[in-house]
Amino acid sequence: KAGVTQTPRYLIKTRGQQVTLSCSPISGHRSVSWYQQTPGQGLQFLFEYFSETQRNKGNFPGRFSGRQFSNSRSEMNVSTLELGDSALYLCASSLRTGNGNTIYFGEGSWLTVV
Amino acid sequence: DAKTTQPPSMDCAEGRAANLPCNHSTISGNEYVYWYRQIHSQGPQYIIHGLKNNETNEMASLIITEDRKSSTLILPHATLRDTAVYYCIVRPQNQAGTALIFGKGTTLSVSS
Repeated sequence: KAGVTQTPRYLIKTRGQQVTLSCSPISGHRSVSWYQQTPGQGLQFLFEYFSETQRNKGNFPGRFSGRQFSNSRSEMNVSTLELGDSALYLCASSLRTGNGNTIYFGEGSWLTVV
Repeated sequence: DAKTTQPPSMDCAEGRAANLPCNHSTISGNEYVYWYRQIHSQGPQYIIHGLKNNETNEMASLIITEDRKSSTLILPHATLRDTAVYYCIVRPQNQAGTALIFGKGTTLSVSS
């Protein structure tokens, strides 16, 4: 069974540009979340989607957005990139079985903003 | 904010058991304890989770104290590949989504 797949794995962007990252959850998983990891702030929750609806949102500016498609695949977008957006962006999925469900992470997308 | 407290670092000799403590003194009755680890430059890897009973799987054992205010993750025979940052996370029982609040974790260094 394939795990959570994220693309691209590595990318370099220039300040002011925008970027779109993609996530394919484990087959059958309907809940997808995104996280940002930086050396200074650690792992921080960005937002969560279930059945194409955003259910939760972390404390990030509106430049960070996402969406989920009917096949549960998800994308996140960052507009007007800043140097501080350089980070590892992680996607996680779960089956949403209710209590105590297990959450699986992808390998992440490394974004460097120059 | 994370609801857990972990030591910032620990050392373990290869082949010995690694016991990683976690304090969650404000845990509520419906909150699970989850453990993840992150090897450098990779995504977090799920290890184990539990509510109040001790749990064991092929990777590790989770021992939760009777008052549920602390727990210990046990890697029975640590190897060099177990060197990673280990995160202890408390989640509400009815939180069905994927939002996790990570703390700083414990950096476990396994040496030969």
